[in-house]
Amino acid sequence: ETGVTQSPTHLIKTRGQQVTLRCSSQSGHNTVSWYQQALGQGPQFIFQYYREEENGRGNFPPRFSGLQFPNYSSELNVNALELDDSALYLCASSFRDTQETQYFGPGTRLLVL
Amino acid sequence: LAKTTQPISMDSYEGQEVNITCSHNNIATNDYITWYQQFPSQGPRFIIQGYKTKVTNEVASLFIPADRKSSTLSLPRVSLSDTAVYYCLVGVLNSGGYQKVTFGTGTKLQVIP
Repeated sequence: ETGVTQSPTHLIKTRGQQVTLRCSSQSGHNTVSWYQQALGQGPQFIFQYYREEENGRGNFPPRFSGLQFPNYSSELNVNALELDDSALYLCASSFRDTQETQYFGPGTRLLVL
Repeated sequence: LAKTTQPISMDSYEGQEVNITCSHNNIATNDYITWYQQFPSQGPRFIIQGYKTKVTNEVASLFIPADRKSSTLSLPRVSLSDTAVYYCLVGVLNSGGYQKVTFGTGTKLQVIP
């Protein structure tokens, strides 16, 4: 167990709706990254948050946004859902100031109908 | 980040040693090599990380030649529970700056009874 938790575990939405996914970091970690993993593919980096600010972004449109809170937990928000947004959404926490790697949560499975 | 190339799939019998090789020809001086294991519908799990030569922990060994253009993950005496996708990643995971981890498609290991 990594100590990274995510909620909900599963979610079903319809096209055009908005969704919020949540992540609680491992104790002592100050950085959170979010990934999207389509079926049969490797995880794709969405963005990273450090000290409540976005600190790098992958090739995802602005309708993917996030927040990091003072306790280092995080949210991923996706607006105007599209069918292709159906995927496993993973968050990973780490401690930015060391060479320690990232530790992943179990993911949230999102299905867009 | 440096691009990585791995075999798409491998089969092995239970009890055998499995070696998965990853090619990363354009690895940079400050890059580390990290391997993750992922089971279906779960988040990737950290296995091992190294910079050069050999690293060993309780679950695996990582062999890195002097030129660092490839690396080999070695799993001793695999069991059925080792059936999973294994990802090789190369990059600076925590440098005080922008952190991004890019996964390839991974190697699907099937352990046969």
